[in-house]
Formats: sequence, C-alpha cells, structure tokens
Amino acid sequence: GQNIDQPTEMTATEGAIVQINCTYQTSGFNGLFWYQQHAGEAPTFLSYNVLDGLEEKGRFSSFLSRSKGYSYLLLKELQMKDSASYLCVKGDAGKSTFGDGTTLTVKP
Amino acid sequence: GAVVSQHPSWVICKSGTSVKIECRSLDFQATTMFWYRQFPKQSLMLMATSNEGSKATYEQGVEKDKFLINHASLTLSTLTVTSAHPEDSSFYICSADPGGSPTDTQYFGPGTRLTVL
Repeated sequence: GQNIDQPTEMTATEGAIVQINCTYQTSGFNGLFWYQQHAGEAPTFLSYNVLDGLEEKGRFSSFLSRSKGYSYLLLKELQMKDSASYLCVKGDAGKSTFGDGTTLTVKP
Repeated sequence: GAVVSQHPSWVICKSGTSVKIECRSLDFQATTMFWYRQFPKQSLMLMATSNEGSKATYEQGVEKDKFLINHASLTLSTLTVTSAHPEDSSFYICSADPGGSPTDTQYFGPGTRLTVL
C-alpha cells in the first residue's frame, strides 16, 4: 500500500532464519516500524529504526538504509508461533503508512 | 505500560443501525488517536486522525458524516458507524500516540469486529 513494497508471502522452516525486505519512498520519512499481526488480532510493535544500521532485539533484528529507502526484518530461530503477517510501516510526521504485509508461514 | 482498550471487541448489528466503538488509553494520555479499518487479508487502512478537543481529520474517501469521531478526552476516542450496511463489516482498530516520544510509536487496541447483517 502507498508505495511501500514488501513480499506478499514467505515460507520458512522451524529453526531457520528468514529476512523480510521492505522498500519505501524516502520523502517525508520519520522512522521505519515493523509490526507483527496474527490473524484476527491487532498489530503489535516489533521494532523501530530511524538511523541507518541494525537494531537487534532478541530473535528479531531490523535494518535500515535511509538513502536506499530500504529496510529488512530478520527473524532467527524461527518458531511456529512466528507464523503471522509482518507489516512494514513508514512513519511520516505523526502519521503511519502501512505496507500490505508479508504473510510468513513457518513449517515444521 | 501503554495499554489501549477497545469496546466492544465484536458486534453484530442490523443494516441501518448505528454502532459506537470506544477506544481508551488506559495508562497514558493520548493527544492523538488513529482509527483504522482492515478487511480480510488486507492491510490496515487509516480512516481518520483524531485529536483531542478538535475535529478529526479524515482520509480521502472516508465519509465523515458516516464515520463520526469524537475525541472528548485525552484517554477516550469514539467511532460511530452511522446507518451501517453490510459493506461496513470489517475489523476496526484504533491506536493511540502518547506524544512527545521520538519514536512516534503507536499503541494499538485489540480491535473491534463489526458484522452488519
């Protein structure tokens, strides 16, 4: 949605590592967020990047390159409960623009 | 901290009736609250930005007379779907912005599932 691009679907194996990429328009950028949303539930906050580089938080890490308009979410040691939609969200002066989400399916 | 509640969590109503959804920030004050709508297998779509004490700002294509928003206090915003029709059936989610945070993080309510018969 609205010039935020991320893959529609991904599949990975339990215990593996998966990287979900996101590209966005660089204009009006005020931070890049990743949210996790399980089916039928509201999104939950995962990470926030405003400066270039990698932010690590347990099994989840998020990377940002502002000049390239690029971010990725890295999930390590995948668990079955990680099966969810992952939303890339661009912050813009107090308003957020959501990507369409990447549906991740973790298989045993 | 940073808990946002919504009430009701689900509602079924007849076509033509009005439904009010409440969004409350339980442990912080929110000068700004956002209302989203999400259809099955689609992303969140921002409907309107609600600012305490002033009129809401609606996104293009959202009818302000149909989706009435009232942000009467720093902890409560309400969305009223007037004369609801089956096409209004959706998952409505609010989020609250505590303000003053450099991360501009939004905290989401659990959502309200509306089914219009």
